[in-house]
Amino acid sequence: NAGVTQTPKFRILKIGQSMTLQCAQDMNHNYMYWYRQDPGMGLKLIYYSVGAGITDKGEVPNGYNVSRSTTEDFPLRLELAAPSQTSVYFCASSTTGDSNQPQHFGDGTRLSIL
Amino acid sequence: GDSVTQMEGPVTLSEEAFLTINCTYTATGYPSLFWYVQYPGEGLQLLLKATKADDKGSNKGFEATYRKETTSFHLEKGSVQVSDSAVYFCALSDIGSYQKVTFGIGTKLQVIP
Repeated sequence: NAGVTQTPKFRILKIGQSMTLQCAQDMNHNYMYWYRQDPGMGLKLIYYSVGAGITDKGEVPNGYNVSRSTTEDFPLRLELAAPSQTSVYFCASSTTGDSNQPQHFGDGTRLSIL
Repeated sequence: GDSVTQMEGPVTLSEEAFLTINCTYTATGYPSLFWYVQYPGEGLQLLLKATKADDKGSNKGFEATYRKETTSFHLEKGSVQVSDSAVYFCALSDIGSYQKVTFGIGTKLQVIP
């Protein structure tokens, strides 16, 4: 049972480059989320999706884009990488949007912008 | 808005010591409360949850009780092991158009033999 799979695990980018962080889940969850984790800051929501074809901004969406063409996949795109985007990125999913449901997390992508 | 407050740590304990990690929250509605654990190099995993006042969540020897009167959800374990070394996140989830989760900053626990 793979759960939530994120690729790559590590990446170093130069300022101004672009890349896509991949996220896939095999639990048939409708809800998916992208977070960034910065030291001493907890997790901040970047984007979320309530189903295929539907996405919306979270707390810190600037500099990122997402798409959700299938239930399984929810890629996160950085168009013009900036040093402020150095962080650990986590994808998560949940069965529903109910507040009592836990979220299931991938192992993260550690991204450095130099 | 919603918020979660917990100490950052690190908290260093000897094996078999008693653990308490404090967590307090503010929320406008009636949130569900969670503790997640993050082991080195991994994502967050659900440790336990409580969905209404006075509920007690428990798992792997860890416990936390949803205290509405003190807006708290403190994590406790009677005897920690080296394998419990990790970062622990308190979180609340409120009702909305999506599952809006507010996380604390995480508390790093180090257990030494």
